[in-house]
Amino acid sequence: AAGVIQSPRHLIKEKRETATLKCYPIPRHDTVYWYQQGPGQDPQFLISFYEKMQSDKGSIPDRFSAQQFSDYHSELNMSSLELGDSALYFCASSSLRISGNTIYFGEGSWLTVV
Amino acid sequence: QKEVEQNSGPLSVPEGAIASLNCTYSDRGSQSFFWYRQYSGKSPELIMFIYSNGDKEDGRFTAQLNKASQYVSLLIRDSQPSDSATYLCAVRTRRVNNNDMRFGAGTRLTVKP
Repeated sequence: AAGVIQSPRHLIKEKRETATLKCYPIPRHDTVYWYQQGPGQDPQFLISFYEKMQSDKGSIPDRFSAQQFSDYHSELNMSSLELGDSALYFCASSSLRISGNTIYFGEGSWLTVV
Repeated sequence: QKEVEQNSGPLSVPEGAIASLNCTYSDRGSQSFFWYRQYSGKSPELIMFIYSNGDKEDGRFTAQLNKASQYVSLLIRDSQPSDSATYLCAVRTRRVNNNDMRFGAGTRLTVKP
């Protein structure tokens, strides 16, 4: 079965640079979530989209922005990167109709800021 | 107080034993409860979800929910070394959009052969 696809899997950026992560949800899933997981930390909810509209916002810094496109893929844009942004970024998707309340995660994108 | 709290680890059990993982949550209106397993550097993988009070069994795994006590647990019977991972408790909080999940910090389980 198709899963959540994230790219790139690994990314190295310097401080103050910009990074963009992409996420392709499971087909027919209408909700996309972004989570940030620092080393040894639990996943922190950043932001979510339902039917291409922002539906909820968590602890996403103002330097970050995200959107969901017409084909339901989503992008997380991170600017003025800081060392503390180094983390594993997960995208997840769900559909109340198809998967109930269950969220399925992608493999994650490792961001290292040097 | 964190919205979702898990018993502090790490937890170590011998192979074949029962591993018990516990989780409490603060939002009394929470409706859905999930256990995810996460291997180091990998994405969380859903093990079980439970919505109703009581027990739910799936193979070697049993989830238990007590909404009155705001408590959810995961029992792993006949623990195997391959069960060694971090187990994340996740709760769907009842917010306006009901779209986000809150995670506990995770409990690291080691099953020793």
